Amino acid sequence: DIVMTQTPLSSPVTLGQPASISCRSSQSLVHSDGNTYLSWLQQRPGQPPRLLIYKISNRFSGVPDRFSGSGAGTDFTLKISRVEAEDVGVYYCTQATQFRTFGQGTKVEIK
Amino acid sequence: QVQLVQSGAEVKKPGASVKVSCKASGYTFTSYGISWVRQAPGQGLEWMGWISAYNGNTNYAQKLQGRVTMTTDTSTSTAYMELRSLRSDDTAVYYCARDERYFDWLLNGAFDYWGQGTLVTVSS
Repeated sequence: DIVMTQTPLSSPVTLGQPASISCRSSQSLVHSDGNTYLSWLQQRPGQPPRLLIYKISNRFSGVPDRFSGSGAGTDFTLKISRVEAEDVGVYYCTQATQFRTFGQGTKVEIK
Repeated sequence: QVQLVQSGAEVKKPGASVKVSCKASGYTFTSYGISWVRQAPGQGLEWMGWISAYNGNTNYAQKLQGRVTMTTDTSTSTAYMELRSLRSDDTAVYYCARDERYFDWLLNGAFDYWGQGTLVTVSS
């Protein structure tokens, strides 16, 4: 199974400041079709997860442009350009290149 | 709009079975698959398996093989997940999420819509 490792596990941030979450996979996420199926989910407290980013860098419908994704191969990053109060929650990277697996989650909280 | 509505909370005894439903609306059910994901209290997300609503093909997480069965009823656009021989560590919120029609032939490769979750508590 592909193991997804996120860092940090907790990220205290100041409102209006940027935040960055790293996700590393145990093997390349490049699919045989040439695409990389790495996505990011946000889970607010008490809510189901919500899709933010798919295929590394594509924002899902309705996702604010302060969220951006980047990376390639085995190393990926989610960035929030200016953290807002509604961004508090746990963020997960997930891959669909081989089966489906999730990172452990990164908790974003306000300092 | 796309919606996945799950059945209500369940309390089961160890050794029993549970069957959770996920009713889809707002899209063509047979054009996609459904994955089931669970989350133990205070823990992260765990993928349980996938079923194609197009042809009924399934793919289960190895650790649950033999205890889980996923099915669909295309006449009602509903997906089901049955978990047998329940243990206390199966206590979790169970989510359905929209996935691809084919497991390895992907378009976006992402869980784009989620159900609200179903709490399953296993306790004697």
